[in-house]
Amino acid sequence: DGGITQSPKYLFRKEGQNVTLSCEQNLNHDAMYWYRQDPGQGLRLIYYSQIVNDFQKGDIAEGYSVSREKKESFPLTVTSAQKNPTAFYLCASSIDSVPGLGVEQFFGPGTRLTVL
Amino acid sequence: GENVEQHPSTLSVQEGDSAVIKCTYSDSASNYFPWYKQELGKRPQLIIDIRSNVGEKKDQRIAVTLNKTAKHFSLHITETQPEDSAVYFCAVPSGDLTQGGSEKLVFGKGMKLTVNP
Repeated sequence: DGGITQSPKYLFRKEGQNVTLSCEQNLNHDAMYWYRQDPGQGLRLIYYSQIVNDFQKGDIAEGYSVSREKKESFPLTVTSAQKNPTAFYLCASSIDSVPGLGVEQFFGPGTRLTVL
Repeated sequence: GENVEQHPSTLSVQEGDSAVIKCTYSDSASNYFPWYKQELGKRPQLIIDIRSNVGEKKDQRIAVTLNKTAKHFSLHITETQPEDSAVYFCAVPSGDLTQGGSEKLVFGKGMKLTVNP
């Protein structure tokens, strides 16, 4: 469980405001990921990063932005362009891997964002 | 892209019964098949995974079987206990395997298992 943290646990924002969710890991993992979890929808990938200063869009990147300036940090900004931002957001990390092998992803405790 | 489906979406069993969750996928190039468990209010955690060079893997009361020809894999839980109550997700790697670095995972929508005492 330890090693990857997200803050805050609960976040409330007014509609139209940008908000940044924090994700930090001390596992020395190269890869980091952001997922959105809605009831009955599973985990949907927003953005992922395989190395510092590089990241790729996932399946639902519209209305979100990320940065990866440090290996241990991968903050997610939910912008006002995201039409339905209220959700549970999970950050994860993993070691780098050879494509096709697959590795475990370690998840943070999540941030529940509510836009009023 | 990869399409991952889980069945059933909910399952209720009596303590001591067995539970089976099936996951189907679309990309025949996938070689890694993990299962994650998410207890209520907690983070998902890997409970078991299997690679394409084996057909079955066991870890105490849980097992995973893989049928690459039919493109499905299943999670089996025997002698269920109330603490097995959770949402279970299967996942399949998706991405260009010619590129370097870690692959992204495509998750199923999850199955909510309830074990009644």
